[in-house]
Amino acid sequence: DGGITQSPKYLFRKEGQNVTLSCEQNLNHDAMYWYRQDPGQGLRLIYYSQIVNDFQKGDIAEGYSVSREKKESFPLTVTSAQKNPTAFYLCASSIVQGVSYNEQFFGPGTRLTVL
Amino acid sequence: AQSVSQHNHHVILSEAASLELGCNYSYGGTVNLFWYVQYPGQHLQLLLKYFSGDPLVKGIKGFEAEFIKSKFSFNLRKPSVQWSDTAEYFCAVNSGGSNYKLTFGKGTLLTVNP
Repeated sequence: DGGITQSPKYLFRKEGQNVTLSCEQNLNHDAMYWYRQDPGQGLRLIYYSQIVNDFQKGDIAEGYSVSREKKESFPLTVTSAQKNPTAFYLCASSIVQGVSYNEQFFGPGTRLTVL
Repeated sequence: AQSVSQHNHHVILSEAASLELGCNYSYGGTVNLFWYVQYPGQHLQLLLKYFSGDPLVKGIKGFEAEFIKSKFSFNLRKPSVQWSDTAEYFCAVNSGGSNYKLTFGKGTLLTVNP
């Protein structure tokens, strides 16, 4: 099955610890994205990457870091600098085709709780 | 910066009632418009989209939306809701010239009572 895999589904960490969320896709998409979803806030873009070894900050990048060493993978690290890390994190991917917008496909999400 | 407003935070309906969820956006240029749905425990999935052409677009599960450029609106409609439509609905906008950025509204939780 083609799709986006995020693991784990639920993650618990102590305050002050860094934690890395996994996102893998086998859709052969060039672009990948990380969003944060909070109740009543919709989705907000954290980082995105349109090509391997390149990524850009989204609207709320502070306290997060990413890497894009492989086309299939786009892990997100929530650092201890993120002041309010407890949230639902969604990964997405899309093709890149010229300057046109292309539909984003979403993974199942990881719910992070920092204790 | 682009912003998206969804007028209703929580809508409660009985089965067979008609549904209209409001969505307004702020950008005045070319836009691509989307409605996503998140059923309980499931992935966020695309309900319908508008890129160009007929401003009345039809999506999955009997949903439709109308793009009204003069009102900066893209309201979602369904003539008769079912209990299985209980979900959270998100309007999203991509501004022309940006092939990556989706701006989401805050979402509307729809509860359909049997």
